[in-house]
Amino acid sequence: GDSVTQMEGPVTLSEEAFLTINCTYTATGYPSLFWYVQYPGEGLQLLLKATKADDKGSNKGFEATYRKETTSFHLEKGSVQVSDSAVYFCALSPNAGNNRKLIWGLGTSLAVNP
Amino acid sequence: NAGVTQTPKFQVLKTGQSMTLQCAQDMNHEYMSWYRQDPGMGLRLIHYSVGAGITDQGEVPNGYNVSRSTTEDFPLRLLSAAPSQTSVYFCASTGRGGRGHYNEQFFGPGTRLTVL
Repeated sequence: GDSVTQMEGPVTLSEEAFLTINCTYTATGYPSLFWYVQYPGEGLQLLLKATKADDKGSNKGFEATYRKETTSFHLEKGSVQVSDSAVYFCALSPNAGNNRKLIWGLGTSLAVNP
Repeated sequence: NAGVTQTPKFQVLKTGQSMTLQCAQDMNHEYMSWYRQDPGMGLRLIHYSVGAGITDQGEVPNGYNVSRSTTEDFPLRLLSAAPSQTSVYFCASTGRGGRGHYNEQFFGPGTRLTVL
């Protein structure tokens, strides 16, 4: 079945460092891909998304490109801040445009030190 | 808009007790769902609803009941709490956008439940 695999955390970086969180997926159809972020003590919120191959989602300095050839959707940011400390979840929707049922990765915890 | 709200934020139960976790949304979303979040296991879908009067089971429905009498509310009932139900519970909702497709999911702040 469809699945999402994220790199294990925790990831600890210094402020202004470059961030990559790897996400790969398996899917039989044409999924949409998402990154959600969970700040401490809060619920999840959508960070960015991509609905078809080669799309790039971006928000708040974060980017991820939907790579069908490598079945990947890696999250990147050029210069992280302390306020980026959170848990990041990669997810896919098996049917593009129908985001009711999401398949989730296990989450990657990021800690950014000043 | 308040978005998705959940009450209570924290709850401690004894084994065998019952309780209801409340969830409400003011975005007129058709689809609502309940997840539990456990360390090392990510988010797992408990129950979901595609509209008032319609509910269905997710991955881990045992020990939980839901109902959807209105579009706004989607309570989750624990019938007889067990220590294995100690978790953080999130409610989420999503609605249809252009071309009838569902949009992103919006999450509530969560309920942290401990069962002793």
